[in-house]
Amino acid sequence: EVQLVESGGGLVQPGGSLRLSCAASGFSVSTNHFNWVRQAPGKGLEWVSVIYSGDSTSYSDSVKDRFTISRDNSRNTVYLQMNSLRAEDTAVYYCTRESGVTYHLDVWGKGTTVTVSS
Amino acid sequence: EIVLTQSPATLSLSPGERATLSCRASQSISSYLAWYQEKPGQAPRLLIYYASKRATGIPARFSGSGSGTDFTLTISSLEPEDFAVYYCQQCSNWPRTFGPGTKVDIK
Repeated sequence: EVQLVESGGGLVQPGGSLRLSCAASGFSVSTNHFNWVRQAPGKGLEWVSVIYSGDSTSYSDSVKDRFTISRDNSRNTVYLQMNSLRAEDTAVYYCTRESGVTYHLDVWGKGTTVTVSS
Repeated sequence: EIVLTQSPATLSLSPGERATLSCRASQSISSYLAWYQEKPGQAPRLLIYYASKRATGIPARFSGSGSGTDFTLTISSLEPEDFAVYYCQQCSNWPRTFGPGTKVDIK
């Protein structure tokens, strides 16, 4: 079964760091593109970051220079390292697989919750 | 950045009725538009991609149309499980952007 499972969320103080993990099963992370999408409480969906199969990356302006996306092909896992966290980063973070042809998000994890608060 | 506008914000309908949801892009995105359904406590689910292609396992009552800047998601006859929030996403340009969502609720 094709599946993504996120982990690593939790409560962190402003200025702190967290690393989210996204474990894939049923397919290989090395040949796919992955996006992180977040949803703040009561809000809509916001694109955060992408990593392509060739390892190029991109970030939204709101997280650029603070977040880093990466992958470990041997663990079949994608990561999101989040530094200098702010209250406005509080959200459910979804790991998603992006179709390589028409670029839609065809597989979603269940999400992991990040709360930034003192 | 491409801005997506969805209308209406809320659509109140009864089971069996037809739902028509609109998504408008601030510039042309060809057919690179996807629709997702979100229910409380669940991750979003892909419904439609490339404007009109149904994702695997999506019932035929869901259909998408449009190209350029104007797109429509139609649910031909609402089932009880269809009451949810629907988001459009443009997959043409970076950064990827989502619309603010349309909530379809029970009248």
